[in-house]
Amino acid sequence: GQNIDQPTEMTATEGAIVQINCTYQTSGFNGLFWYQQHAGEAPTFLSYNVLDGLEEKGRFSSFLSRSKGYSYLLLKELQMKDSASYLCAVLDSNYQLIWGAGTKLIIKP
Amino acid sequence: GAVVSQHPSWVICKSGTSVKIECRSLDFQATTMFWYRQFPKQSLMLMATSNEGSKATYEQGVEKDKFLINHASLTLSTLTVTSAHPEDSSFYICSARSSGDSYEQYFGPGTRLTVT
Repeated sequence: GQNIDQPTEMTATEGAIVQINCTYQTSGFNGLFWYQQHAGEAPTFLSYNVLDGLEEKGRFSSFLSRSKGYSYLLLKELQMKDSASYLCAVLDSNYQLIWGAGTKLIIKP
Repeated sequence: GAVVSQHPSWVICKSGTSVKIECRSLDFQATTMFWYRQFPKQSLMLMATSNEGSKATYEQGVEKDKFLINHASLTLSTLTVTSAHPEDSSFYICSARSSGDSYEQYFGPGTRLTVT
C-alpha cells in the first residue's frame, strides 16, 4: 500500500526554527510537494522536490532523500502567521498525488 | 501565477436538494481537475479526478451517482451533490493541473457546504 507519515502536531516559538518530517512509501516516485493550509482555507503551494538535496526559498527550505523515502520542510524565523497545517504529498508512478494527513504547526509567542 | 476560482464559497441547503459547485481555471487550461473533500481537522480526501471531455474517475467509496462531475471544457469543472444529506456537509476543494513537467496542482479557495 501507499503510505505517507508526518507528525500530527508540532509546537514552536516565534522566531525559532522548526523542521517537519515526512516519510513515504509509494508505488513509484515523481516528486514530492509541500503545501501550507490555514484553517478554513485551501492549500497553497510551498515547494516541489524531485531530485535529492535541499531547495531553499526564503524562510522555507525543503529537503529530499529518495533513497530513504524522506523529506523535511524547514521553517526559519517563525512568525505567528506560520501557524497552519503543512501537507506532504508524493506524486506516484501514475502521477497521482498521495497526501499525508498533515502536520498542524502551532506557533507560540 | 495560476488562479483557480470556486463558486459558491459557501452554501447552505436543505436535506434532499442538490447543490452545484463550479471550479474554473482563470488563466490557464486545466487538462485535469481534481475534487477533494475535507472534514474538520482531517486531511484532504480525493473524491475524483476528471480529464476534459471524459468521464471522471472516482475514488473507492465515493458514489458517482451522488457526486456528479462534469468537465466540459479546459477551464470549467462542476461538482453536483445530489440529494444532499447532513453527512455531506463538508469543505469541498477543487484543484486544477495543466500539462507540464511539475504536475503542481493549483487549488481553488474551497466551498463550505452545510446541509440542514
